[in-house]
Amino acid sequence: AQSVTQLDSHVSVSEGTPVLLRCNYSSSYSPSLFWYVQHPNKGLQLLLKYTSAATLVKGINGFEAEFKKSETSFHLTKPSAHMSDAAEYFCVVSEPGGSYIPTFGRGTSLIVHP
Amino acid sequence: DAGITQSPRHKVTETGTPVTLRCHQTENHRYMYWYRQDPGHGLRLIHYSYGVKDTDKGEVSDGYSVSRSKTEDFLLTLESATSSQTSVYFCAISENPTGENYGYTFGSGTRLTVV
Repeated sequence: AQSVTQLDSHVSVSEGTPVLLRCNYSSSYSPSLFWYVQHPNKGLQLLLKYTSAATLVKGINGFEAEFKKSETSFHLTKPSAHMSDAAEYFCVVSEPGGSYIPTFGRGTSLIVHP
Repeated sequence: DAGITQSPRHKVTETGTPVTLRCHQTENHRYMYWYRQDPGHGLRLIHYSYGVKDTDKGEVSDGYSVSRSKTEDFLLTLESATSSQTSVYFCAISENPTGENYGYTFGSGTRLTVV
């Protein structure tokens, strides 16, 4: 069965410093993986997705993620945080064994200090 | 989000009353999903649909039912609302089940309060 674990419920960084949001997944198949962002009182926006093409995926707003099958990880990174990056981030997995139903992690709240 | 709308955006209802939330899409996507979002739980799947009149249960389906009589509309009904169903409800759509083309597109959400 598919599952996804976001290793940090909160991450705090200073503006201009790198961002690392960690996601591990469990899947018996070749999964599709996604990162979504949710700003306060807003809907969810797709940041990037991995669907069995290049393992390093570039997304919007300078974010990228690397699919590492050996580590079952899909961590989200950004070289330099901006105040506008403060939001909730969700890692999502879908796979054939789970009927491709998108399953969410519990979320990581990114706090950016001036 | 463009192509998907949820209604109402906010609703307050009394315990024991039925409530219906609507998700409407203009993308002609086959797959539609209802999630609820609660602090500390992320988004949890309630029901999903893989075509007109084809639906199935998700992780937290107790107390909820759905209907999809047209491609564009996916209705979520709380048969007898309880305070534990106070939540934010999101609808999502997808062109294909893997999300490989455009991912899953989410509506703006419905904030439901059961008093």
